[in-house]
Amino acid sequence: GAGVSQSPRYKVAKRGQDVALRCDPISGHVSLFWYQQALGQGPEFLTYFQNEAQLDKSGLPSDRFFAERPEGSVSTLKIQRTQQEDSAVYLCASSLGSGGEPQHFGDGTRLSIL
Amino acid sequence: AQSVTQPDIHITVSEGASLELRCNYSYGATPYLFWYVQSPGQGLQLLLKYFSGDTLVQGIKGFEAEFKRSQSSFNLRKPSVHWSDAAEYFCAVNTGGFKTIFGAGTRLFVKA
Repeated sequence: GAGVSQSPRYKVAKRGQDVALRCDPISGHVSLFWYQQALGQGPEFLTYFQNEAQLDKSGLPSDRFFAERPEGSVSTLKIQRTQQEDSAVYLCASSLGSGGEPQHFGDGTRLSIL
Repeated sequence: AQSVTQPDIHITVSEGASLELRCNYSYGATPYLFWYVQSPGQGLQLLLKYFSGDTLVQGIKGFEAEFKRSQSSFNLRKPSVHWSDAAEYFCAVNTGGFKTIFGAGTRLFVKA
């Protein structure tokens, strides 16, 4: 596609439910990133994929967070047993490489936990 | 660890006036530097980037930024602001790996 696509755009879940957020990166982009953006803050790094390999997951807040990119393209961020503090915008970005390559961002998924 | 500071949480300028958004970073060497813009409900869009060479970088939408090594700064400027420039602006730093660190952002308000 022309850009990074994320779905759903909005997700409301009750505390304790599991959610899955999808990211469809730009075709051919090797690198894929997930960020969490709290209200009024900048994006905070969650995890990074190079093709299908998850090279860094140090930013994931807890073991309730899990991300995968099994075929090196589409990625899913899953949050199990959601908590209110998980409410945020989750941004996905992709780039041709890593390092100084500019990242292309999706419009994000706004997650609200009731 | 590297960090990015955007000292101004929000700035208000009149339409047609000039703009400067401040960004300071903490890192021992010269990192890759970026400015992104985010409109409400949307993702971040790259305005410009600095890797090396000329310290004055031109970007899209009439923005420019100047890298000053001595001040560890990368301030964003625009000579004449338009109402459509109202948005959130993020400075970001990458030190050559895959982690990019973003500042907390500066929200720009434009008054008529």
